[in-house]
Amino acid sequence: DAKTTQPNSMESNEEEPVHLPCNHSTISGTDYIHWYRQLPSQGPEYVIHGLTSNVNNRMASLAIAEDRKSSTLILHRATLRDAAVYYCILRDVRGGGADGLTFGKGTHLIIQP
Amino acid sequence: EAGVTQFPSHSVIEKGQTVTLRCDPISGHDNLYWYRRVMGKEIKFLLHFVKESKQDESGMPNNRFLAERTGGTYSTLKVQPAELEDSGVYFCASSQESKGNYGYTFGSGTRLTVV
Repeated sequence: DAKTTQPNSMESNEEEPVHLPCNHSTISGTDYIHWYRQLPSQGPEYVIHGLTSNVNNRMASLAIAEDRKSSTLILHRATLRDAAVYYCILRDVRGGGADGLTFGKGTHLIIQP
Repeated sequence: EAGVTQFPSHSVIEKGQTVTLRCDPISGHDNLYWYRRVMGKEIKFLLHFVKESKQDESGMPNNRFLAERTGGTYSTLKVQPAELEDSGVYFCASSQESKGNYGYTFGSGTRLTVV
């Protein structure tokens, strides 16, 4: 899977929007962009994924750059429960190759009350 | 629907002993994965089952680790004999498909401490 680059940490205030960036300049045309998060003492949790178009679900929105070399996870109104490590991961739509998700260090999101 | 369930949540064993971790995936999910995070490191893939078959075990660290998924339902991961460096959190995940346009559901993990 192609490599992604994320800031080590970000801080935001409760009830404000949060934009978490991810760079993936070597993304291939068949790579989906996935986001997972890991809350303290829990397993990773799927957040959202997309290929080319922006995506929305009940948890977040995913904005994908036109050239697909970067993306942004948007939490529209952060709560204290959103404090977690957020991982941006590329997955080839075809599957195959190394089957597992490649977790990097992620972005540690801190939410201030 | 029930999520991915892992047993036990915590295990403390002595070096040289054997430990077996269990994962119950979401019902109907053919794909089951094992991951682990050792202290201070990133989460790493261990192996992938499709039903009862090992699809990819490239991440298994050595032959002290044995994973099984008899009948294609729950899976076990046995560490025998356990070493100090095996301490960490072991996660299991399942998914309907293995292709990149599906998300995975993870369990809460088993925290293994080898003393």
